[in-house]
Amino acid sequence: AAGVIQSPRHLIKEKRETATLKCYPIPRHDTVYWYQQGPGQDPQFLISFYEKMQSDKGSIPDRFSAQQFSDYHSELNMSSLELGDSALYFCASSFRDRQTEAFFGQGTRLTVV
Amino acid sequence: AQKITQTQPGMFVQEKEAVTLDCTYDTSDPSYGLFWYKQPSSGEMIFLIYQGSYDQQNATEGRYSLNFQKARKSANLVISASQLGDSAMYFCAMREGRVTGGGNKLTFGTGTQLKVEL
Repeated sequence: AAGVIQSPRHLIKEKRETATLKCYPIPRHDTVYWYQQGPGQDPQFLISFYEKMQSDKGSIPDRFSAQQFSDYHSELNMSSLELGDSALYFCASSFRDRQTEAFFGQGTRLTVV
Repeated sequence: AQKITQTQPGMFVQEKEAVTLDCTYDTSDPSYGLFWYKQPSSGEMIFLIYQGSYDQQNATEGRYSLNFQKARKSANLVISASQLGDSAMYFCAMREGRVTGGGNKLTFGTGTQLKVEL
C-alpha cells in the first residue's frame, strides 16, 4: 500500500540558509500534519492542513511557513536556519474524520551546520 | 501538566518473553484516542495500535495489545513473544476531542527505549 512520502530524506544546510521539505500524503488523504523531532526528543506538532487550508498551528517558528497544494501535497519552508533547527521532520496524513489513523512518512533529517 | 507520561526511559526484555510499556495520559475531554508508535534507529515512525476512548474492548494487532484502563487513565502496550527486531523507541501519543477537519494533532510522550536480548 502507498505510504506517506517525504523528500528529501536527508538535507544539510548552513546557518541562515533556507530549506524546503515536501510531503506527499497517502492517496485520498486530505489532511497533513507536520511534526519536528529534535535529537532525543519526542515529536512536537508544528502545523496542519485540511483541504488546503491551515487547520491548526502548534509551536512553529515565524521563520517557518507551510502550505498544502491542490494535489494535497504539502511543503514546509524554513528560512534563516539556525543550528537548533537540526531535527527530524515528519509529515503525517489522514482522511478527514478517520481519527483512528495517523500514518507518518519516513521523515526528513535536517542538519544545519 | 504532561498530557502523556511514559515513566520507563529504558526497558530490557529477553527474546520470546512478553513486555509491557507503560503510558498514562491526562485529559478532561471525554473523546480521545490513544496511539502507539515504534521508532527504530533508522528514524521512521511506525504506527502500531490505536484505542478510542469509547472502545469497549482492548485493541489488539498481532503481537501488540493495548491494556486500556480508562479509570486509571492508562494505556499500556503489551508486546508478546518479543523479537530482536522489536528493539526500538516506543512512543505513546494522544489525540483529544472529536475535531473534524484536520484538528487531530497528536501529543507524544517522551518514549521508552526497548532492548530485546537473546
